[in-house]
Formats: sequence, structure tokens, C-alpha cells
Amino acid sequence: SAVISQKPSRDICQRGTSLTIQCQVDSQVTMMFWYRQQPGQSLTLIATANQGSEATYESGFVIDKFPISRPNLTFSTLTVSNMSPEDSSIYLCSVAPHSGDTGELFFGEGSRLTVL
Amino acid sequence: QKEVEQDPGPLSVPEGAIVSLNCTYSNSAFQYFMWYRQYSRKGPELLMYTYSSGNKEDGRFTAQVDKSSKYISLFIRDSQPSDSATYLCAMSFTSASKIIFGSGTRLSIRP
Repeated sequence: SAVISQKPSRDICQRGTSLTIQCQVDSQVTMMFWYRQQPGQSLTLIATANQGSEATYESGFVIDKFPISRPNLTFSTLTVSNMSPEDSSIYLCSVAPHSGDTGELFFGEGSRLTVL
Repeated sequence: QKEVEQDPGPLSVPEGAIVSLNCTYSNSAFQYFMWYRQYSRKGPELLMYTYSSGNKEDGRFTAQVDKSSKYISLFIRDSQPSDSATYLCAMSFTSASKIIFGSGTRLSIRP
């Protein structure tokens, strides 16, 4: 298993600002993912962040808007840049601790962002 | 058409009832199927993980996959108030590929 801590747990932000979300894992993991969960909608994968390589973004998400860092095997950050009210959502960090098996994901508790 | 369809509910049943949660999907290439449970203000946690068609049982929970109908189910026996949560179905093409989630069904078990 893996225990994931996310910070902040919630925040209220002004339009046009940027916010960085931190994700700390209690064990070393290769595969780390960032998801967005909007009310009433499914979890949407933003990007895959593997240590030692550039993050891989899903269709509809770009690095300029959601830059990701992955400096080591236990830590990652996601920045939501130049925020607008449409970015109000829950952002979740997750890991696949069993290398190569993405089916068993462990999630953080999420960071709930409200953009005014 | 969404790849994975799930009735959002809410579904409210009395304690002790058998609960049936379902998802349909459109792509027959999905091979791996999961059910995640998400309590309010928490991240999802994996409940059941199955490969291809058939049933898998774990305690009060049974996952069923019918690939011919592109339909998966999660049954909860002897439901408890602590089972009240949102249940998300999910699936992937391989064990190493991206997971596609359903939008979740909100379940409430009345004491």
C-alpha cells in the first residue's frame, strides 16, 4: 500500500493567480498520476509524472497550464496556472505502487480549489 | 457517447439490503475492471479488481463482469451504514494503461 499526503487540502484563489499542490508519498513509487474531479463528473487524468522524465499530458491538458515537477520517487507538485473559475475542482494525486500495474491506484485525499 | 456510463444516483436502501451497482461501457477492448469507493472528502480507494469476464467475491462484495453485454456490476450483501459512499467503476485496456473512470454512484444506507 501507499500513504499519500496532499497539501493544501483546500484553498480559495483569485482569478489569474497560480497555485501549487504538493503530493508526498510514504514510499518510493515510479508511477504517479494527477487527476481532476469535477462535481458530478468522473475522475479525469491530467498527466502521468514518472521520475526522471517529462510528464505526459492527456488530451485537453497542457504543460503551460498545469506544470508538474517530479524531483524524486516520493514527491511531486502540480501547479494550476492563471486560474479561472472553470479550474474550480478537486485535484487528486495518485500512485501505482506495484510497478507496471495501473489498476491498483492509491489516492491522496485531494485538494479542493475554488477560484473566484 | 461516454466510454463508461454509470447512473449517478443517489441510491438509498435500508440497512441489510442487497445493493446492486452497475456500469456499462462502449469499448469491447477493455480487459481490466475495478470498483473504487470514495467517502465524502476523501480520495477513492480500490475495492475490487478483476480481469476479463466472471465473478470475484471478497467478503460482502461481489464484482461481476459480462463482457458480451459490456456490463459490470458490484453487489454488496448485508449493507451497512458504513457502506454509504460514492462507488466508481473503472476499466483499462491493459494492466499498465490509463484507467477510465465512471462518474460514480452515490449510495446511502439507511439505519
